[in-house]
Amino acid sequence: KAGVTQTPRYLIKTRGQQVTLSCSPISGHRSVSWYQQTPGQGLQFLFEYFSETQRNKGNFPGRFSGRQFSNSRSEMNVSTLELGDSALYLCASSLGLMETQYFGPGTRLLVL
Amino acid sequence: DQQVKQNSPSLSVQEGRISILNCDYTNSMFDYFLWYKKYPAEGPTFLISISSIKDKNEDGRFTVFLNKSAKHLSLHIVPSQPGDSAVYFCAASAQGGSEKLVFGKGTKLTVNP
Repeated sequence: KAGVTQTPRYLIKTRGQQVTLSCSPISGHRSVSWYQQTPGQGLQFLFEYFSETQRNKGNFPGRFSGRQFSNSRSEMNVSTLELGDSALYLCASSLGLMETQYFGPGTRLLVL
Repeated sequence: DQQVKQNSPSLSVQEGRISILNCDYTNSMFDYFLWYKKYPAEGPTFLISISSIKDKNEDGRFTVFLNKSAKHLSLHIVPSQPGDSAVYFCAASAQGGSEKLVFGKGTKLTVNP
């Protein structure tokens, strides 16, 4: 069974731009969560989607948004990029809300 | 306010010996705990979990111990192998895992041959 895939793997943007990251969960998984990993803060939860509905949200500004499609694929959008948004963005999928999460390889975003 | 703390950023052990990774938490509502392992350029991989109704869970070389009164959990790897070298994240959740996961900052384990 294919694992969680994320595209693109690497991305370079400049301040003020916006970016969209994509995540395809493991087949049959209906829950997708997004995390930001930085050296100083470790892994921080962004949001979680289940059946196209946002179920949980972390403490990030409104510039960070996401959505989930009917096929469980998810996208994450960051608008008006700031230097501090440079990070590894990880997507994780699970069968349901209370199931173990399986992570993708991440998208490394560099904001210049 | 960091609710899940891994106070050791790094740990180095000799192959064949025991590795003990520690994690402390402050939120008494947490009742489900997980450990993830992360290699460079890869996403974290689920390793082992424990719910608050247990104080120990074992899976092969990996054992997680939970001390609820001390709000402390630890991951024991016996015997340690060079392939275990990775960053280990402790994570916690409330409501039996239905609440969002809160992660520690990770501990980098190096197992020397």
